[in-house]
Amino acid sequence: DIVMTQTPLSLSVTPGQPASISCKSSQSLLHSDGTTYLSWYLQKPGQSPQLLIYEVSRRFSGVPDRFSGSGSGTDFTLKISRVEAEDVGVYYCMQGIHLLPLTFGGGTKVEIK
Amino acid sequence: QVHLVESGGGVVRPGRSLRLSCAASGFTFSNYGIHWVRQAPGKGLEWVSVISYDGINKYYADSVKGRFTISRDNSKNTLYLQMNSLRAEDTAVYYCASPRDENSGYPDYWGQGTLVTVSS
Repeated sequence: DIVMTQTPLSLSVTPGQPASISCKSSQSLLHSDGTTYLSWYLQKPGQSPQLLIYEVSRRFSGVPDRFSGSGSGTDFTLKISRVEAEDVGVYYCMQGIHLLPLTFGGGTKVEIK
Repeated sequence: QVHLVESGGGVVRPGRSLRLSCAASGFTFSNYGIHWVRQAPGKGLEWVSVISYDGINKYYADSVKGRFTISRDNSKNTLYLQMNSLRAEDTAVYYCASPRDENSGYPDYWGQGTLVTVSS
């Protein structure tokens, strides 16, 4: 199975300041079709996960442009350019190159200072 | 818009069975493979199972293989998860999740989840 490792475990951010979360995979997520299958989800308190980013950097419908994803191979980053109060929750990365099983990072909890 | 509603959770004793359901609406259910993903209390996300659009292909995490069975009824736009021989470690919120489009295949839209508690 592909192991996904996220850092940091938690992050406390002042509103309006940037935030960055790292995700590393134990194997390359670059498929032979040229696509890199790495997604980011946000699970707000008391809610189910919601898709933010797919294929490393593609924002899902309705996701604010303050969220951006980058990276390649085995190293990926989710950046929030200016954190807002509604961004609190736990962020997960997920690899999709090996479907069986799909695997998630352990999560990064983002709080507001 | 896509709407997924899980049901069937509850408290069950170890070794017993439970069947979860996921009612889908807002998209052509019969065109998409659908996933089950679970989350133990205070823990991260664990993929459980996926079924192809036509119900023919089914895949499971090693942790549930041989105990859980995924199925679907496309005439009812409903996904199921039959859970047998339940263990304490199966205690979790169970989410069904569908792809965003026919090119995805990934758990992009999630339901609100249903809690399964396995306890004596």
